[in-house]
Amino acid sequence: GAGVSQSPSNKVTEKGKDVELRCDPISGHTALYWYRQSLGQGLEFLIYFQGNSAPDKSGLPSDRFSAERTGGSVSTLTIQRTQQEDSAVYLCASSFQRGGFQETQYFGPGTRLLVL
Amino acid sequence: AQKITQTQPGMFVQEKEAVTLDCTYDTSDPSYGLFWYKQPSSGEMIFLIYQGSYDQQNATEGRYSLNFQKARKSANLVISASQLGDSAMYFCAMRQGGSEKLVFGKGTKLTVNP
Repeated sequence: GAGVSQSPSNKVTEKGKDVELRCDPISGHTALYWYRQSLGQGLEFLIYFQGNSAPDKSGLPSDRFSAERTGGSVSTLTIQRTQQEDSAVYLCASSFQRGGFQETQYFGPGTRLLVL
Repeated sequence: AQKITQTQPGMFVQEKEAVTLDCTYDTSDPSYGLFWYKQPSSGEMIFLIYQGSYDQQNATEGRYSLNFQKARKSANLVISASQLGDSAMYFCAMRQGGSEKLVFGKGTKLTVNP
């Protein structure tokens, strides 16, 4: 079946502009995750959604970052007033919950964000 | 705090030979899961293999096996019969019981030579 999809694949923006990144999880997966991969910091967890529960936002680096998940499916990560240090690859992942536990996370191809 | 350490920034292997990529972890939680992902130059993270902390047997998936040594807190990935397509970054990751987020190591870049 179809994997996790993300759009856009590449985004170039100017410092100070807002950007929205989209993630479509695997059909039937109830959990959705955002990670950031940058040269200096490696792979970092940002936020986690599970069903109708309150999201785990513990990894968001600042209040310029926010995410929502509509209808338990598609998610949008928004970065307001972008800074050059926001340049990174933003990876989305989804997983299936079985017996109260999340199974393996499957990743999308990522969105490469460059802030000029 | 959780921590994953991959001490090999780069590894080289000849085609058809086996290679071991090292991963050590640090956690005080008895319940955890360990994962290996492959990231080719295209950028997508590809799941390879999983080992649960309570699993009695080492995990295997085709040419991939995980050498799990719980007492040493190591979870090394073994790739047998390397192929040119195995050239990629390899990341070890851990999920601690009670948390769904993955904590990743810095990765190892594997190059398979013909």
